[in-house]
Amino acid sequence: RKEVEQDPGPFNVPEGATVAFNCTYSNSASQSFFWYRQDCRKEPKLLMSVYSSGNEDGRFTAQLNRASQYISLLIRDSKLSDSATYLCAVTPLEYGNKLVFGAGTILRVKS
Amino acid sequence: DVKVTQSSRYLVKRTGEKVFLECVQDMDHENMFWYRQDPGLGLRLIYFSYDVKMKEKGDIPEGYSVSREKKERFSLILESASTNQTSMYLCASSPPRQGRGQPQHFGDGTRLSIL
Repeated sequence: RKEVEQDPGPFNVPEGATVAFNCTYSNSASQSFFWYRQDCRKEPKLLMSVYSSGNEDGRFTAQLNRASQYISLLIRDSKLSDSATYLCAVTPLEYGNKLVFGAGTILRVKS
Repeated sequence: DVKVTQSSRYLVKRTGEKVFLECVQDMDHENMFWYRQDPGLGLRLIYFSYDVKMKEKGDIPEGYSVSREKKERFSLILESASTNQTSMYLCASSPPRQGRGQPQHFGDGTRLSIL
């Protein structure tokens, strides 16, 4: 089983839709969680950190479910510019400063 | 804002050449990382460094080496380039862990083709 798993998608949604992705992790000792956005042929860019209490930034909301070992990313009122690959990243306690990345979920927002 | 700069966006080299990829960060970060990213395989860690002159192997170190002589610079070396090392190479940096892990910040990437 992979340490971090994501549904590869693609998720095809119309503009204005609400879409949610999950990311499951296998190491229960994981402590830190992040969502990155990666545009085609570009580098990953940090979208938001995921805290135990959740985190909201405009149209984006991230949640952590420790009991079921997953994090989620909710995007409301999708824009064409939200089309990208969304990567989750997790830091297990024993990994020190390393992150373990999921393979990413592709989102395509269509007009 | 964190700035991580990779020396080349695109690079074409020949099989057997020794290839150097350079990465510089301007945030005085202790940790630096080299990844490669291939379609369907995601990000794979090659090497990382948590201090000057310190290095640790990642998941796929074979065929690569690294150098960190200064805190701000982390170099990836392909000792004898092979076609299966054609890939997108990404450098990242992060501050030290402070209780919780820290996010990594990536450079623009180097798209390397080995012919």
